[in-house]
Amino acid sequence: DAKTTQPNSMESNEEEPVHLPCNHSTISGTDYIHWYRQLPSQGPEYVIHGLTSNVNNRMASLAIAEDRKSSTLILHRATLRDAAVYYCILRDLYSGGGADGLTFGKGTHLIIQP
Amino acid sequence: NAGVTQTPKFRILKIGQSMTLQCAQDMNHNYMYWYRQDPGMGLKLIYYSVGAGITDKGEVPNGYNVSRSTTEDFPLRLELAAPSQTSVYFCASSYARGTEAFFGQGTRLTVV
Repeated sequence: DAKTTQPNSMESNEEEPVHLPCNHSTISGTDYIHWYRQLPSQGPEYVIHGLTSNVNNRMASLAIAEDRKSSTLILHRATLRDAAVYYCILRDLYSGGGADGLTFGKGTHLIIQP
Repeated sequence: NAGVTQTPKFRILKIGQSMTLQCAQDMNHNYMYWYRQDPGMGLKLIYYSVGAGITDKGEVPNGYNVSRSTTEDFPLRLELAAPSQTSVYFCASSYARGTEAFFGQGTRLTVV
């Protein structure tokens, strides 16, 4: 799977929007962009994923650049419960023969200030 | 709906001992995975399975074994535990390759 680059940490205030960036300049045409988050002492939790178009769900929005070399996870109104490590991961659905599974980097540690 | 259940939650092993980490899912998912997470790091894939009777190595399989006799269960076996295997172990499942993965709460293992 192609590599992603995220800031080590970000800080935001409660009830404000948060924009978490991810660069993936070597993304291939069949790579989906997945976001997971990991709350303290818990297993990772799926947040959202997309291929080309922007995506929205109850947790967040995913904005994908037109050239797909970067994306942004948007939390519209952060709460203290959103404090977690956020992972941006590329997943190729069609890489037959390669090992399956998610490739986790170090992610972005999101700190929410009350 | 329980999702992915891991047992035990915590375990301390002595060097050279062996143990089995249990993982069960009740979502009828074909795909199951074992990851380990060292402090301050992302998760690394140990083994995965695409269905009952089929297993394959991930990035860091040495020192571990798995089996998949049923769709629901995917146990991870540690033989001859070593301090380097001190880590938090996560099991996950998904319906198919690339779909949303569901993770268990983890097993914190310390080898002394």
